[in-house]
Amino acid sequence: NAGVTQTPKFRVLKTGQSMTLLCAQDMNHEYMYWYRQDPGMGLRLIHYSVGEGTTAKGEVPDGYNVSRLKKQNFLLGLESAAPSQTSVYFCASRDRQRFDEKLFFGSGTQLSVL
Amino acid sequence: QQQVKQSPQSLIVQKGGISIINCAYENTAFDYFPWYQQFPGKGPALLIAIRPDVSEKKEGRFTISFNKSAKQFSLHIMDSQPGDSATYFCAASIASGGYQKVTFGTGTKLQVIP
Repeated sequence: NAGVTQTPKFRVLKTGQSMTLLCAQDMNHEYMYWYRQDPGMGLRLIHYSVGEGTTAKGEVPDGYNVSRLKKQNFLLGLESAAPSQTSVYFCASRDRQRFDEKLFFGSGTQLSVL
Repeated sequence: QQQVKQSPQSLIVQKGGISIINCAYENTAFDYFPWYQQFPGKGPALLIAIRPDVSEKKEGRFTISFNKSAKQFSLHIMDSQPGDSATYFCAASIASGGYQKVTFGTGTKLQVIP
């Protein structure tokens, strides 16, 4: 059982380049999230989705776009990368019916923007 | 605005000792308080959680103490082991726009020395 899989695990970009981070979950979860983790700032929500074809902004959405064309996949795009987007990105998913509201996280993508 | 404040930022405890991490929140509408454990290179994983209608929850060596009037909650790790060395995040969630909005603390890096 793979759970939540993120690709790639590491990436180095130059300022202005674009890229897409892929998140895939095999648990049939309705809710999916993208977080960024920075030292001393915890986890901050970028965008989230409550179902296939729907997305919404989180706390820090500027500079990012997302899409959820299939229930199992949630893509995070950077159209024009900036050094401020250097971070570790985590995808998470949750079962809407679960009482304990448990988030299942992927292993993260370490992104450096030079 | 940091809605969930976590302290200390780092903690060193000897094997067998008690580790204590504290969190304080501002929004009294929060209705779920989880703790996540994160090992290096991995995503966070749910450790234990509590709802505000109880004052304490224990699971093995891990206990959450919850003080609703003071708007504070803490994680106690009894008989701390080197394998507990990880970063711990407290969080608080609230229903918002049809989904549970989770706000994380800034994290505590715990090191348990033999």
